[in-house]
Amino acid sequence: TQLLEQSPQFLSIQEGENLTVYCNSSSVFSSLQWYRQEPGEGPVLLVTVVTGGEVKKLKRLTFQFGDARKDSSLHITAAQPGDTGLYLCAGAMNTNAGKSTFGDGTTLTVKP
Amino acid sequence: DAMVIQNPRYQVTQFGKPVTLSCSQTLNHNVMYWYQQKSSQAPKLLFHYYDKDFNNEADTPDNFQSRRPNTSFCFLDIRSPGLGDAAMYLCATSRAGFGTEAFFGQGTRLTVV
Repeated sequence: TQLLEQSPQFLSIQEGENLTVYCNSSSVFSSLQWYRQEPGEGPVLLVTVVTGGEVKKLKRLTFQFGDARKDSSLHITAAQPGDTGLYLCAGAMNTNAGKSTFGDGTTLTVKP
Repeated sequence: DAMVIQNPRYQVTQFGKPVTLSCSQTLNHNVMYWYQQKSSQAPKLLFHYYDKDFNNEADTPDNFQSRRPNTSFCFLDIRSPGLGDAAMYLCATSRAGFGTEAFFGQGTRLTVV
């Protein structure tokens, strides 16, 4: 059973469109991270959210942590081809010292 | 400057021939991880070190071993690579605690021939 479920699994959109990626779980996380991974490279940390209901913005990216700290969303406004990549959410529980659980990922393609 | 460095970036090995992948970090983080990632899939945790304590995932095959001689270095040993072990291998570090953010290396792409 996948602890963190991401949706959609694949997303292909035109440049300029908006999109939202979801990360859902039945478990409560002490913190949740979002990463972006480009082909042939390692994942790069985008943001960490720790407080229920928290909203963080990173340029055109908006991240939200659910009130119950079980889910999160990533919204991209006016997507650009440079946003193309694999988006991964990862949750950390207090009981797993030093360990996070990754979602299955969302592969985003932004066409010019 | 790269903070988590993996060598080599690309490794070709023969079926059944032992291979070692290396990872070094300049962050002085106490946790180091090894992940296996296959095409368009999420990274799969193989094991991690919390300081010197080794933590193996239940479904990690015995074919995969790891060594951490000091804080900065960690190695992944594949004793008898099979064709199914061809993948991207990612090393990551974190400072354990509340808000576990991982810093990844660029990965080693392993090909088994």
